[in-house]
Amino acid sequence: KQEVTQIPAALSVPEGENLVLNCSFTDSAIYNLQWFRQDPGKGLTSLLLIQSSQREQTSGRLNASLDKSSGRSTLYIAASQPGDSATYLCALRSNDMRFGAGTRLTVKP
Amino acid sequence: DAGITQSPRYKITETGRQVTLMCHQTWSHSYMFWYRQDLGHGLRLIYYSAAADITDKGEVPDGYVVSRSKTENFPLTLESATRSQTSVYFCASSGFSRDSSTNEQFFGPGTRLTVL
Repeated sequence: KQEVTQIPAALSVPEGENLVLNCSFTDSAIYNLQWFRQDPGKGLTSLLLIQSSQREQTSGRLNASLDKSSGRSTLYIAASQPGDSATYLCALRSNDMRFGAGTRLTVKP
Repeated sequence: DAGITQSPRYKITETGRQVTLMCHQTWSHSYMFWYRQDLGHGLRLIYYSAAADITDKGEVPDGYVVSRSKTENFPLTLESATRSQTSVYFCASSGFSRDSSTNEQFFGPGTRLTVL
């Protein structure tokens, strides 16, 4: 059974700081890994999708990496802004879908 | 409107009643998913469907029934609602191939269900 862990559970940083969110998983037999953000009381917004054969994906200030051999993915956010405040979730797709519990990010002005 | 929609957005029902949550997508995605999100448990997969008339259980399927007679619709039914099924329910859809961006999963806005 796939286990997905996100560390830290919560993170507070000052505006402008670069930061890294972590996602670890126990089964490397995945099709892809997807990062989402969720604002309070809202649905999930897709940020980045990394296919199993890829090592990283970039979108604007976001960069996600995937290392299947070590069972880890990281989401790097450059020059953080207050608008980045949200919960960030990683999800792994194999025969089903497994989500991490998320990291609640607060970016202080 | 293009995208994925859920209805109703909010629902209050009583224990023992049947409730159906609707999900509709306009992308002709082959895959559709139902999740529930609870404090302390995060998002958990209830059921998913790879195509019309093909459905599979996820992590927490007990107490739920799904059907998929048309590609664009994937209703979730609680046959006899219980208080433990109070939750926020999300529907999602994606295409699928082993190495393609069509795998990206898109979520609906959610249905907040309260069972009294």
